[in-house]
Parts: sequence; structure tokens; C-alpha cells
Amino acid sequence: KQEVTQIPAALSVPEGENLVLNCSFTDSAIYNLQWFRQDPGKGLTSLLLIQSSQREQTSGRLNASLDKSSGRSTLYIAASQPGDSATYLCAVRGGNKLTFGTGTQLKVEL
Amino acid sequence: GAVVSQHPSWVICKSGTSVKIECRSLDFQATTMFWYRQFPKQSLMLMATSNEGSKATYEQGVEKDKFLINHASLTLSTLTVTSAHPEDSSFYICSAGEGAGGGETQYFGPGTRLLVL
Repeated sequence: KQEVTQIPAALSVPEGENLVLNCSFTDSAIYNLQWFRQDPGKGLTSLLLIQSSQREQTSGRLNASLDKSSGRSTLYIAASQPGDSATYLCAVRGGNKLTFGTGTQLKVEL
Repeated sequence: GAVVSQHPSWVICKSGTSVKIECRSLDFQATTMFWYRQFPKQSLMLMATSNEGSKATYEQGVEKDKFLINHASLTLSTLTVTSAHPEDSSFYICSAGEGAGGGETQYFGPGTRLLVL
């Protein structure tokens, strides 16, 4: 059974700081990995999707990497802003199912 | 981009009543829809996978007689929480799959918050 873990569970940083969120998964037989953002009481916003054959994806200030063999992915956020405050979830796809991680709650302070 | 809606966004009900939640894909046909549940401070847990015109596949530990799923068309799936109890209070999120097997890309709805008194 696939298990996805995210570290840290919570993170508070000052505005402007670069930061890294970590995601690990136990079964490397995945089709892709996706990072989502969730604001309190809201649904999910897809940020980046990395196919299993890819090593990284970039969108604006976000960069996600994938090391499938070691079961790890990182989400790098450059020059963090208060608007980045949210919970970040990673999810891996095996078959047609997504297994979500435990989430990292990020707070970017002024 | 593809849009998925959910209705209602909020529902409060008395214990023992049944609640129906709708999930619609607005601009694409979804052969597969997924229902997730999220408790406070926890991640999303897949409850069931529904395919248009066939019975839903439930994850282990999810009571299929309590959580009735109907996927009658390529744009609509419904989740009915029967005889709801306070422990069913949660945030329910659906997603609709576009592509082969419905799993290539999943588009998520905004979620429905259920509070059972």
C-alpha cells in the first residue's frame, strides 16, 4: 500500500525566504507526482505535475523535483510571499488513484 | 481549463438525515469520478471511484451502504450520505478524471463541508 509523507508538517518563514518542502513515498511504481495548494476551507489548486519520466518541473517561483528511485520529491519556493501561505499537498498516482501526503502548512510572515 | 463544481458548498443537517452532494464536470466528459474525504488537519483520503454507468469501487473501510454513489452521466456523480451522524462531519471533495481510464488528469471540485448536529 502506497504511503506518502511530507516533512515538515508546519513551517513558518519570514517573507522573501527561499524554502523547500519535502515529500516521500514508499512505492516507486508511480505514473506521476503532483503538488497542490489548499487554502483553509477550500478545494485544491494544482501547482505542478511531474511525470515519472521527468526529473523536475518549473512554474514561476515554484520548482518541483522528482527522484522516483529513492521515492522523494521536493517543492522549492523562491522568494516567498505572504500570499504563499497555505497547506501544500503532494500526491502520487498509481493506476488511476491518487494517494495524498499528510501536507505541510506554510505561513509566510511579513 | 477544466472545471468541476460541487453543490452544495455547505450543508448542516440533523443526525439521522440523508445528504446528497453533487459533483459536475462543466466543460468535459468524465468517465471516472473520485470522492475524497478530509478531516480537520488531515490529508485527503480516497473513499471511492465511480465509473459512468457502473457500480462504484469503494476503498477498504468505507461503508458502501452508508455512502451511496451514483454516476448516471458523464458529467454528474452524486454522493449520498445516508443516516448521517456527527462523525460523518467532514470536508468532501470530488474530482473528475479526463483521459484514458479517467486517471491521466484529475480536476478537483471546491469541496462540500458537511456538519451533522
